[in-house]
Amino acid sequence: DSGVTQTPKHLITATGQRVTLRCSPRSGDLSVYWYQQSLDQGLQFLIQYYNGEERAKGNILERFSAQQFPDLHSELNLSSLELGDSALYFCASSQTGQPSYEQYFGPGTRLTVT
Amino acid sequence: AQKVTQAQTEISVVEKEDVTLDCVYETRDTTYYLFWYKQPPSGELVFLIRRNSFDEQNEISGRYSWNFQKSTSSFNFTITASQVVDSAVYFCALSEGDWGPYNQGGKLIFGQGTELSVKP
Repeated sequence: DSGVTQTPKHLITATGQRVTLRCSPRSGDLSVYWYQQSLDQGLQFLIQYYNGEERAKGNILERFSAQQFPDLHSELNLSSLELGDSALYFCASSQTGQPSYEQYFGPGTRLTVT
Repeated sequence: AQKVTQAQTEISVVEKEDVTLDCVYETRDTTYYLFWYKQPPSGELVFLIRRNSFDEQNEISGRYSWNFQKSTSSFNFTITASQVVDSAVYFCALSEGDWGPYNQGGKLIFGQGTELSVKP
């Protein structure tokens, strides 16, 4: 158990809908990352937050947004869902946001868009 | 541009065989960090090791060992006397740079992964 929690574990929804994925980092970790894992794209970095502020952005779609709250938990919002958004979404946390620190991953949320 | 290549998509071995998973990286930064993660069938990603660019010492942890060679931009992972529980997808990853206002944080760039199957 990495100490990172993600809810829900599974999510099935229809195209055009909006969903929210939630992540709680390990105790003491200030930085949260979101990654998407799909068969065609592999593991792709989406966005990073450090102590409530956005720190880095990857190829995150405009339909996707995220935030980190004062208690350091984070939410990833996905809207106007398309079939291609079906994937495993991971949250990870690290002690700081520095490249030198290892990231610990949550169990993931499997999103299926029908 | 930064890139991680794991040329071996799938490897199948019989228990007790040694197996090496290859990882080649590309980066323009002089300071960078390399990682290996394991993704067992249950799906979570498990951190195995971190190496920084200025430390080329090889590392051994039980049956696992890592060989970092800057000259060939490689960071290979060897499992000695493999076991069925080693069956998983293994990812090599890269993060770059130093912490600073213009740094792009600690994002990980992953390879495509190598699926290791260890048969009894």
